[in-house]
Amino acid sequence: AQSVTQLDSHVSVSEGTPVLLRCNYSSSYSPSLFWYVQHPNKGLQLLLKYTSAATLVKGINGFEAEFKKSETSFHLTKPSAHMSDAAEYFCVAGSARQLTFGSGTQLTVLP
Amino acid sequence: GAGVSQSPRYKVAKRGQDVALRCDPISGHVSLFWYQQALGQGPEFLTYFQNEAQLDKSGLPSDRFFAERPEGSVSTLKIQRTQQEDSAVYLCASSSTQPYEQYFGPGTRLTVT
Repeated sequence: AQSVTQLDSHVSVSEGTPVLLRCNYSSSYSPSLFWYVQHPNKGLQLLLKYTSAATLVKGINGFEAEFKKSETSFHLTKPSAHMSDAAEYFCVAGSARQLTFGSGTQLTVLP
Repeated sequence: GAGVSQSPRYKVAKRGQDVALRCDPISGHVSLFWYQQALGQGPEFLTYFQNEAQLDKSGLPSDRFFAERPEGSVSTLKIQRTQQEDSAVYLCASSSTQPYEQYFGPGTRLTVT
């Protein structure tokens, strides 16, 4: 069994400042971990994935995430927020057969 | 190529009606998934197909929910005797065998009145 906890339901940052979205996971094995983004009225889009090849994972649009096994964390970061980053972000644990989603973090980017 | 498509995009049903939601996966994708996303929540797994075989239906909330993929491509999620608690966005995703990232459709928003 696996579960995902997103520690913040809402995060607000100013444009040009760093973004940190926090995620902790629990699993009886080493899962694959993903971050997805959901813009209003659009489908879920894969940002990045971790599959044990490297602990620091780079994704699209300047996002990256670091897998820390000792902390069971997979936090998402971006050095400089852009207005277009405003969306809902989901941390996800999964396998080929099923994905388990966190409850989501709504990112607001202020001008 | 084309992504995952779903139809209808919006569906309003009266309580007790049956509904059918359609998913067209990416061509050639072997695996197909259905998820339910309630308002303000993350998606929750409903069921998984590999080709035409339904390998996991552990997430279906009741026997009113039924999914099929008879020819291993298009899938239909059917909900019988809809209830208000069925109101949600139903998401379909597909993936190839390797790599197995899931690609999601835009979803069908079901409102039961």
